[in-house]
Amino acid sequence: GDSVTQMEGPVTLSEEAFLTINCTYTATGYPSLFWYVQYPGEGLQLLLKATKADDKGSNKGFEATYRKETTSFHLEKGSVQVSDSAVYFCALSRGSGGSNYKLTFGKGTLLTVNP
Amino acid sequence: DTGVSQDPRHKITKRGQNVTFRCDPISEHNRLYWYRQTLGQGPEFLTYFQNEAQLEKSRLLSDRFSAERPKGSFSTLEIQRTEQGDSAMYLCASVGGLHYEQYFGPGTRLTVT
Repeated sequence: GDSVTQMEGPVTLSEEAFLTINCTYTATGYPSLFWYVQYPGEGLQLLLKATKADDKGSNKGFEATYRKETTSFHLEKGSVQVSDSAVYFCALSRGSGGSNYKLTFGKGTLLTVNP
Repeated sequence: DTGVSQDPRHKITKRGQNVTFRCDPISEHNRLYWYRQTLGQGPEFLTYFQNEAQLEKSRLLSDRFSAERPKGSFSTLEIQRTEQGDSAMYLCASVGGLHYEQYFGPGTRLTVT
């Protein structure tokens, strides 16, 4: 079945440091890939997405590129801020037409950014 | 705020009691999903609706769980005879957009004592 493996946390960085959170997936066909962020006490928010190979998703300074050859979707940001402290989830979805678009998530990576 | 609301936000109940949660999705979205998230894990799919029809249920959804979506609007998730293993965050997602993006509510945190 489908699965997502992401970098174990927690990750602790200083403000303005470079961030990479690794994510790899196993799925048949051509899944869509997502990064969600969960701030303390809140629900999940969609951060960025990519729907086909070589697409780059980007939002709020974060970016990730859909690499089919390495089945990866690593999250990067050039300069993190304290406000980026949260849990980050990599996820995939398969489906077309009327089928189920359920999300399969990784376990999440806790990021803490210190001033 | 994604526009998806869930009620209650927190529920503490004793083992063996029944609980019901509600999700109000974004009004123009016809798909609605339920997920369960335990501590330190990512959310796991439970079930989904297209309009009022429940189209798929995960094997995680035992017969103590039932979900409804009358009239294709809000949805309820009921757990009968709760067990300590049911303690988790229950998330609802409203689905729409060109690529079926999922917009999550804040969740209901259930604690079974």
